[in-house]
Amino acid sequence: AQSVTQLGSHVSVSEGALVLLRCNYSSSVPPYLFWYVQYPNQGLQLLLKYTSAATLVKGINGFEAEFKKSETSFHLTKPSAHMSDAAEYFCAVSDAGGGNKLTFGTGTQLKVEL
Amino acid sequence: NAGVMQNPRHLVRRRGQEARLRCSPMKGHSHVYWYRQLPEEGLKFMVYLQKENIIDESGMPKERFSAEFPKEGPSILRIQQVVRGDSAAYFCASSPEFSGNTIYFGEGSWLTVV
Repeated sequence: AQSVTQLGSHVSVSEGALVLLRCNYSSSVPPYLFWYVQYPNQGLQLLLKYTSAATLVKGINGFEAEFKKSETSFHLTKPSAHMSDAAEYFCAVSDAGGGNKLTFGTGTQLKVEL
Repeated sequence: NAGVMQNPRHLVRRRGQEARLRCSPMKGHSHVYWYRQLPEEGLKFMVYLQKENIIDESGMPKERFSAEFPKEGPSILRIQQVVRGDSAAYFCASSPEFSGNTIYFGEGSWLTVV
């Protein structure tokens, strides 16, 4: 069975500061890993995904994530936070064997302060 | 190219009534997924369908919930005899047959049971 753990349900950063959202996964097979962002009362938008190619994945809006197999982690980072980054972020894992079924973490609410 | 379309966006039902949520996948997508997001929780997989077939319904509650994806028309998630605990956001997602495990989400349907 696959699972995802997101450490910190709420993260607060200052505008311009580094954003680091943590995600650890558990999977018995090579995983596909995803980060999604959700703005209030909206659906999920894909930020980036890892599918066993380069371990450093660049996504939209300046976000990137690094797959570290030894640490079973896929943390999301952005060098400089912007007010518009305030949203909820979800890490998800799926079985690389196919089926596209995603298992989500419980989410991290990112707050950006002036 | 329209995205995944869900309707209604907001639905209020009294306890005991039926709720029907509709999802039209993106053009060219033959796979549909339903997820439920309870307050303060991440998304939980419910069901995965292809046209006229249920592929994986391991996340569906055993009673009162059903889903279909007919040959023509949208996918329907049906909840009979709703209870307050069914209040949640229901997200539909779709993917083409071969998508590298990327699925695309709709904006969700918010069900409130009063």
